[in-house]
Amino acid sequence: QLQLQESGPGLVKPSETLSLTCTVSGGSITNSNYCWGWIRQPPGKGLEWIGTIFYSGRTYYNPSLKSRVTISVDTSKNQFSLKLSSVTAADTSVYYCARHVRSSGSEDYWGQGTLVTVSS
Amino acid sequence: QSVLTQPPSVSAAPGQKVTISCSGSSSNIGNNYVSWYQQLPGTAPKLLIYDINKRPSGIPDRFSGSKSGTSATLGITGLQTGDEADYYCGSWDSSLSAGVFGGGTKLTVL
Repeated sequence: QLQLQESGPGLVKPSETLSLTCTVSGGSITNSNYCWGWIRQPPGKGLEWIGTIFYSGRTYYNPSLKSRVTISVDTSKNQFSLKLSSVTAADTSVYYCARHVRSSGSEDYWGQGTLVTVSS
Repeated sequence: QSVLTQPPSVSAAPGQKVTISCSGSSSNIGNNYVSWYQQLPGTAPKLLIYDINKRPSGIPDRFSGSKSGTSATLGITGLQTGDEADYYCGSWDSSLSAGVFGGGTKLTVL
């Protein structure tokens, strides 16, 4: 059974860089049928798509976040990562990693999510 | 403001049927796939419907999806109290080259 697990600091200071890693187990991140992505959800609000990466390194980003977002992949560790720079309180959210099915465009497996709070 | 538009809330009695709409444009729903997700309180979203009307293994056939033009609809029959959740539609936007979600609809089973 595929599992995804987010890890990283739960508290980040304003203007600093948020860094999260998603570890994939039970399946290979190099499977060409899938991409790997990040979605976030501010407390009490809806889902926001952040971006996705193919194992080759090809990325797609939300235009509203593109200038601050970097998603990378480490195939040797079966992990992919998110960096969001210059964070503000508005970036406080639960961050989810997910597997994106290329043929249907859906996210079929999700991590449990991790709350990241931006505060001094 | 979300690219896809959903009603904030819907409600119905146990055993009844409810539909949730998702309105988009030709750059997303009109020419791309549609997915639906269920988010129970305090949990991660779960895929309910993909490719407009397909159900992943384990999702009961009480859940169905359809699409017409630039809008999609999620249908739930035989409502149960356990169906109380937030429901989100999702699609790919070819103009943005990015994924997009609706704002979410809270389902209350009265």
